[in-house]
Amino acid sequence: EVKLLESGGGLVQPGGSMRLSCAASGFTFTDFYMNWIRQPAGKAPEWLGFIRNKANGYTTEYNPSVKGRFTISRDNTQNMLYLQMNTLRAEDTATYYCARGGWELDYWGQGVMVTVSS
Amino acid sequence: IQMTQSPSLLSASVGDRVTLSCKAGQNINNYLAWYQQKLGEAPKLLIYNANSLQTGIPSRFSGSGSGTDFTLTISSLQPEDVATYFCQQYNSWNTFGAGTKLELK
Repeated sequence: EVKLLESGGGLVQPGGSMRLSCAASGFTFTDFYMNWIRQPAGKAPEWLGFIRNKANGYTTEYNPSVKGRFTISRDNTQNMLYLQMNTLRAEDTATYYCARGGWELDYWGQGVMVTVSS
Repeated sequence: IQMTQSPSLLSASVGDRVTLSCKAGQNINNYLAWYQQKLGEAPKLLIYNANSLQTGIPSRFSGSGSGTDFTLTISSLQPEDVATYFCQQYNSWNTFGAGTKLELK
């Protein structure tokens, strides 16, 4: 059974940093692109970026809205996906999801809440 | 690529045939998915490539359309279908529509 479990969220001050983690299980992790998506309360999801699979060299792509502040990485030995978020702003407040897939997103984690506030 | 969904809110009765619309700002070559999101849950993939039903999704859900205009149809609305439905294009990176909230009349 495919499972994705995010962790690491919470309250952070504006200008601060936070790293989110996503533990993957139930599939061959290296075969798949992995994504981060966020969703402010009551709003549409926003794709943040992805990291490609082994066959495509684990390269990354980002939404211009977060490029340069957010970094996606993966530890393929531990089946872990990460999102490093720097210089956080109030508008980064949202539920953050990891999701599998290079095109349609076929499995999502349950999400983790990030609140940026002083 | 901007994705526009309509209506934003839809009220329907159990057993109704329900149609949700999603329009892309440019041709997306059928690279369109539909997701269902129930309150407090993560989105769930229903349809991909505009008209392919994801494994495990009931056959009352179907997708159609091409180019810029797409439709999600629920053939006979069930109480458990109350949710917000999002479309997503993946022709050029990924963007989501604002969603259609489906409620029971």
